[in-house]
Amino acid sequence: QMQVQESGSGLVRPSQTLSLTCDVSGGSINSGRYSWSWVRQSPGKGLEWIGYIYHSGSAYYHPSLRGRVTISIDRSKNQFYLNLSSVTAADTALYYCARVSAVESCSGGSCYLNDVFDIWGQGTMVTVSA
Amino acid sequence: EIVLTQSPATLSLSPGERATLSCRATETIASYLSWFQQKPGQPPRLLIYDTSNRATGIPTRFSGSGSGTDFTLTISSLEPEDFAVYYCQQRTNWPPVFTFGPGTKVEMK
Repeated sequence: QMQVQESGSGLVRPSQTLSLTCDVSGGSINSGRYSWSWVRQSPGKGLEWIGYIYHSGSAYYHPSLRGRVTISIDRSKNQFYLNLSSVTAADTALYYCARVSAVESCSGGSCYLNDVFDIWGQGTMVTVSA
Repeated sequence: EIVLTQSPATLSLSPGERATLSCRATETIASYLSWFQQKPGQPPRLLIYDTSNRATGIPTRFSGSGSGTDFTLTISSLEPEDFAVYYCQQRTNWPPVFTFGPGTKVEMK
């Protein structure tokens, strides 16, 4: 059973860069069936999608974070990464990494691929403070 | 940007009762609608994807339905372990952008 686990700096100074690693175990990050995503949750708040990266290396980000966020992948280490620059207190949150499976669905004679967030890490708390 | 709203914010029910949770989008979305359950101190757990497909290992008391802008998660008979916060999530077609609803808390009455 594949698992993902976050790690990284728990305290980041304002204006600095937040860097997190997600370790993938129990399977290969190279599989074309999966993409790899970051989601965050501010204390006591809901969930916010940050972005994800396809196995090919193409990455897509939430429009509100575009320009500050980079997600990358290291296939040799079976890891993917989150970098978020110019952080402020608003970036304080619990950061999750997740596996996103491409699932085919067919309806009315047409089929499409959907992205399903099916495996999540336990999350790592990042606080932005001087 | 598509915004998801969930209602009610809190649902107070007893074990054995039926729970009906609503998720509404600001514009028509495809079937890219998922539901997650989250308990305190735990990550979200996928329950339903593609509006109505149960994820692996999810009990049959959980069901999803809907289309267009209105979607529903139904728990047919609440078990003690079902008291949690539930989030809906949708994906825009292209470029892919995922958004979550604000959540519905199902609490024990």
